[in-house]
Amino acid sequence: QQKVQQSPESLIVPEGGMASLNCTSSDRNVDYFWWYRQHSGKSPKMLMSIFSNGEKEEGRFTVHLNKASLHTSLHIRDSQPSDSALYLCAASMGYKLTFGTGTSLLVDP
Amino acid sequence: EAAVTQSPRNKVAVTGGKVTLSCNQTNNHNNMYWYRQDTGHGLRLIHYSYGAGSTEKGDIPDGYKASRPSQENFSLILELATPSQTSVYFCASGEVVEQFFGPGTRLTVL
Repeated sequence: QQKVQQSPESLIVPEGGMASLNCTSSDRNVDYFWWYRQHSGKSPKMLMSIFSNGEKEEGRFTVHLNKASLHTSLHIRDSQPSDSALYLCAASMGYKLTFGTGTSLLVDP
Repeated sequence: EAAVTQSPRNKVAVTGGKVTLSCNQTNNHNNMYWYRQDTGHGLRLIHYSYGAGSTEKGDIPDGYKASRPSQENFSLILELATPSQTSVYFCASGEVVEQFFGPGTRLTVL
């Protein structure tokens, strides 16, 4: 069964700072990597997905993927208090997603 | 945006009782999913469906059944609820490009 490992478990960054989150899959058959954000008491919502090597940027969010090492990272620049949330990484094979346990991000104003 | 609704939003059940959690989506997605979320375990897939009449076992199906009577509806059934099934349950619908989650059901089994 595929495992998705995320690090760190929790992270505190100052407002305006850079947050970097990591994720690795154990299964080479992964199609896509996904990043979801979940605010406290809410449901997860997709932030970004990536399936090819390299980098993808959307606003303050940048995702990197190294398919050889099955490693993806999410970087949030100019972090805002509203970015405080649980960030979930997921890896998909076909229509099935496997989630990591998440990184809890706190942006300190 | 995709609309996925769940009912009930909160449920308290007794050990050994039957619990049915319902999910409805209005986006005509073929695929629907049931997850549970527990601290330290993230989101874990219980059952999923590719379309009306189909159900597939996910990663943790023991103690759960699923039913997909129509494109729009997907139910999760706990025939004999146990305290270990106390959790937050999320339904989702989607295709390859994205899954959309419902608001969640908080289930407490006493």
